Amino acid sequence: GAVVSQHPSRVICKSGTSVKIECRSLDFQATTMFWYRQFPKQSLMLMATSNEGSKATYEQGVEKDKFLINHASLTLSTLTVTSAHPEDSSFYICSVLGHNEQFFGPGTRLTVL
Amino acid sequence: AQRVTQPEKLLSVFKGAPVELKCNYSYSGSPELFWYVQYSRQRLQLLLRHISRESIKGFTADLNKGETSFHLKKPFAQEEDSAMYYCALSGNNAGNMLTFGGGTRLMVKP
Repeated sequence: GAVVSQHPSRVICKSGTSVKIECRSLDFQATTMFWYRQFPKQSLMLMATSNEGSKATYEQGVEKDKFLINHASLTLSTLTVTSAHPEDSSFYICSVLGHNEQFFGPGTRLTVL
Repeated sequence: AQRVTQPEKLLSVFKGAPVELKCNYSYSGSPELFWYVQYSRQRLQLLLRHISRESIKGFTADLNKGETSFHLKKPFAQEEDSAMYYCALSGNNAGNMLTFGGGTRLMVKP
């Protein structure tokens, strides 16, 4: 299966700043990646589908101007949380679609003070 | 709309006891169902999918379209099975997008 990494693994930032999270497919060229958010003791909620070379498709209720997704290459998708606020604090997980299966990254814990 | 429900947040059993983690779904078409597992401090990984009809680590799951269920079963639980288990659904027109259930934490006591 695909090996997926995320960077950073955890980040703490001040309210109002922007944070970029990287998702890399290390051994697989990923046309499609997914971004999820997981609040404490809750399930994964799909935020958006990231397609290489085109605009991301956002789920209902997810602000595209707040959560900027860039999938400029087959191995890298980035999620930028703009003007982060404490309510954006969460665990962000990406996955890579390969062979009709999703392979997940280890996640990034974002804490906004 | 598609929905996945896992009614139990926590399931605690003794080693060697049978385990059944419940999953019910709601979807109007023909879904594909999955079970994902997340061991402590590890990433989410696929355990099994209904189309494979295989047993992984002793776990099996049968899709029951009449009851819209996809319960995960193991006849004899092991301590190393302790983990978080998520049932997930992919619709036939959803572009491989997954809808996850709330998850069930399985604790296998010695």
